Amino acid sequence: EAGVAQSPRYKIIEKRQSVAFWCNPISGHATLYWYQQILGQGPKLLIQFQNNGVVDDSQLPKDRFSAERLKGVDSTLKIQPAKLEDSAVYLCASSSTGGASRNYGYTFGSGTRLTVV
Amino acid sequence: AQRVTQPEKLLSVFKGAPVELKCNYSYSGSPELFWYVQYSRQRLQLLLRHISRESIKGFTADLNKGETSFHLKKPFAQEEDSAMYYCALSGWKNNNDMRFGAGTRLTVKP
Repeated sequence: EAGVAQSPRYKIIEKRQSVAFWCNPISGHATLYWYQQILGQGPKLLIQFQNNGVVDDSQLPKDRFSAERLKGVDSTLKIQPAKLEDSAVYLCASSSTGGASRNYGYTFGSGTRLTVV
Repeated sequence: AQRVTQPEKLLSVFKGAPVELKCNYSYSGSPELFWYVQYSRQRLQLLLRHISRESIKGFTADLNKGETSFHLKKPFAQEEDSAMYYCALSGWKNNNDMRFGAGTRLTVKP
């Protein structure tokens, strides 16, 4: 099966500029996630979608970050305006579930490395 | 607070030696635990899940609810095992979420 696709691979922007990342999950995966991974830390969940609805966005800095998943397939994550501390790798992942009580693990994309200068 | 702790940021062993990467969790419910691995220049990928009780690439992990641990073990480390390893916990807020530890970088020396 095709993997999780993300673009761009790298992005360098100045602070206060805006940036957008795109993710296309594995076909048929209902759940899509955006994670932020700062250098030296583990991935931190930003937002979780189930189809085109938001399940959890409690750690998304909503004053500057936004995400959407129109039509329940691909998704975009936007930062506007960017700050220096947003420099990180942004990971997209998708998963299918075997039922309400089982998590079979995620498939991750290769990530977008964002540098804010 | 509910969290996943990997106490070692760096771990170095010689080829052929046993290796154990530690993971402790704090969680009030019935956890589902995972290990993910990221090799150099590759994407993060699932290594194993505790519910499957599987051995992948010689690695095993046993859930110890009494000690709230899910340590990853391999009896004989290989150089190709050098990578970043992340422990993760699901079921925090819903059945499909995942929270990650900070990771341990394993280096296997020849």
